[in-house]
Amino acid sequence: AQSVTQPDIHITVSEGASLELRCNYSYGATPYLFWYVQSPGQGLQLLLKYFSGDTLVQGIKGFEAEFKRSQSSFNLRKPSVHWSDAAEYFCAVGAQFGNEKLTFGTGTRLTIIP
Amino acid sequence: GAVVSQHPSWVICKSGTSVKIECRSLDFQATTMFWYRQFPKQSLMLMATSNEGSKATYEQGVEKDKFLINHASLTLSTLTVTSAHPEDSSFYICSALEGIRADTQYFGPGTRLTVL
Repeated sequence: AQSVTQPDIHITVSEGASLELRCNYSYGATPYLFWYVQSPGQGLQLLLKYFSGDTLVQGIKGFEAEFKRSQSSFNLRKPSVHWSDAAEYFCAVGAQFGNEKLTFGTGTRLTIIP
Repeated sequence: GAVVSQHPSWVICKSGTSVKIECRSLDFQATTMFWYRQFPKQSLMLMATSNEGSKATYEQGVEKDKFLINHASLTLSTLTVTSAHPEDSSFYICSALEGIRADTQYFGPGTRLTVL
């Protein structure tokens, strides 16, 4: 069975500082990997996804993530955070070719301090 | 593109009544939609997979007679919470599969249900 671990429940970062949110997955084959962001009381917005090819993927809002098969990781990064980035971030893994269900991590809450 | 809407955004009802939540894909057709439930400060829990023109597939532990799902068209899925009780109060979020191979889920804004 697939699983996702987001080790950091809560991260606080100063505005303008760099950010890295960790995500580790467990899956027997090549996974589909996603990062979503959720603002309070809202649904989830897709930031980026990895299916295959270049292991460094670019997303919206200046985010990027790197797929590292050897470490079973798909960490999310941003070089300089903005106050508007404060939200909950979810990493998710899905199976290729037909099984569209996603397994979500428990989320990381990001707080930005001025 | 890939916009999903939900209606209503919030609803308050009395215990014992039924509530219907709609999920629509606005600019694409979705043969598959999903319904999730999210408790405060927790992750999403998949309740069921909704396929157009067929019965929904429920996750283990989800009562199919309590959470009725209908996916009557390629742009609309509905979730009806029957005989709602306070423990059904939650944030319900739907998603729809989109993409060339229907491989990416796009989420609606969610519906906050409060049962008194």
